[in-house]
Amino acid sequence: DAGVIQSPRHEVTEMGQEVTLRCKPISGHNSLFWYRQTMMRGLELLIYFNNNVPIDDSGMPEDRFSAKMPNASFSTLKIQPSEPRDSAVYFCASRLNRGSPLHFGNGTRLTVT
Amino acid sequence: QQQVKQSPQSLIVQKGGISIINCAYENTAFDYFPWYQQFPGKGPALLIAIRPDVSEKKEGRFTISFNKSAKQFSLHIMDSQPGDSATYFCAASNDMRFGAGTRLTVKP
Repeated sequence: DAGVIQSPRHEVTEMGQEVTLRCKPISGHNSLFWYRQTMMRGLELLIYFNNNVPIDDSGMPEDRFSAKMPNASFSTLKIQPSEPRDSAVYFCASRLNRGSPLHFGNGTRLTVT
Repeated sequence: QQQVKQSPQSLIVQKGGISIINCAYENTAFDYFPWYQQFPGKGPALLIAIRPDVSEKKEGRFTISFNKSAKQFSLHIMDSQPGDSATYFCAASNDMRFGAGTRLTVKP
């Protein structure tokens, strides 16, 4: 079990650039979650998918953020255009089913200058 | 966004002491109450979880106490160790929204 894999681990970009974060969930898990963590706002749920279908995207900050899950083994979170206030650690997590524990990746630290 | 209110925000405990972190929720339909532990540079990991049909669950030095009528649950860490220093999050739903987190520091 390789765990949830996120890439890149660190991303530094300039304001206005497009940023794409990637996640590979644990094989067989049917739910995938994207979170953003900052000191001020804690661990915020951005969006989650069940069986590759977005279920709740109410946490997505604004239209600059979009997430896709084209298949069961891959998801992306895209920010276009990026802004300095998007600087945070972004986590992806997956779980086997409802009531199962979440398994988190090690996160992507995004810095927008 | 938070569906649970977690307190305290930070906690300092001496080695060997008891650490207590509390969470309160509103929605009586919730049926899964996990605690996650996060070390710096890592993602959170499940520590212990409880369902509302029991009032207490113990795993080693970690215990969840659950009060259904008060809609509260708490994490107790007995014999706290410096290695327990981390941030702890509670959640109280199946769509996995977390509390604000508690930064625990255990002093040697």
